Amino acid sequence: QTVVTQEPSLTVSPGGTVTLTCGSSTGAVTSGHYPFWFQQKLGQVPRPLIYDTAQKHSWTPARFSGALLGGKAALTLSGALPEDEAQYYCLLSHNGPWVFGGGTKLTVL
Amino acid sequence: QVHLVESGGGVAQPGRSLRLSCVTSGFSFSTFGMHWVRQAPGKGLEWVAVMSNDGSEKYFADSVKGRFTISRDNSKDTLYLQMNNLRVEDTAVYYCAKDSFDSWGQGTLVTVSS
Repeated sequence: QTVVTQEPSLTVSPGGTVTLTCGSSTGAVTSGHYPFWFQQKLGQVPRPLIYDTAQKHSWTPARFSGALLGGKAALTLSGALPEDEAQYYCLLSHNGPWVFGGGTKLTVL
Repeated sequence: QVHLVESGGGVAQPGRSLRLSCVTSGFSFSTFGMHWVRQAPGKGLEWVAVMSNDGSEKYFADSVKGRFTISRDNSKDTLYLQMNNLRVEDTAVYYCAKDSFDSWGQGTLVTVSS
């Protein structure tokens, strides 16, 4: 059973930069996993931020960016705002089935 | 504007069945694959199943394989999730999502309890 791994929690200072990562138990994450990133705040529906590794939706703030780094998918937040405090989930395709990571709780403090 | 509305959730006993529906509007339903995603109370997101636009391809999470089936009626712009042999651990909010996960419904709560 494929496991997708994320940091359980991270803290960033307001205005700071933080990188969240997403790894797969099957090996290096590549563009073929079509990495997605979602933001979820308490009681809300997940909000898609990034698709296909680095593509942004029209509503994605410019301070968020996606990439592949060191065999993992990565979400970088540059210039963190208090409103960015949330749970972040990555999602990877594994040739048909998809698997979410366990999520990263991001604290802006 | 894209809309996805799930229904069919409720309380079921272990071993029983429920069928969820996801009625869509605002896009060409028959040209997009569709997903089901769930979230247990206080837990993370879990991808459940996907069906291609024409129903020819389906994939399931290991946790539901053999118990859940996914189907769609393109004439009604509606996606379904048939959940059989329900377990306590199936308790979750179930969301339907459009192919590229850019649109989600508000979810429907399924509670499995004796």
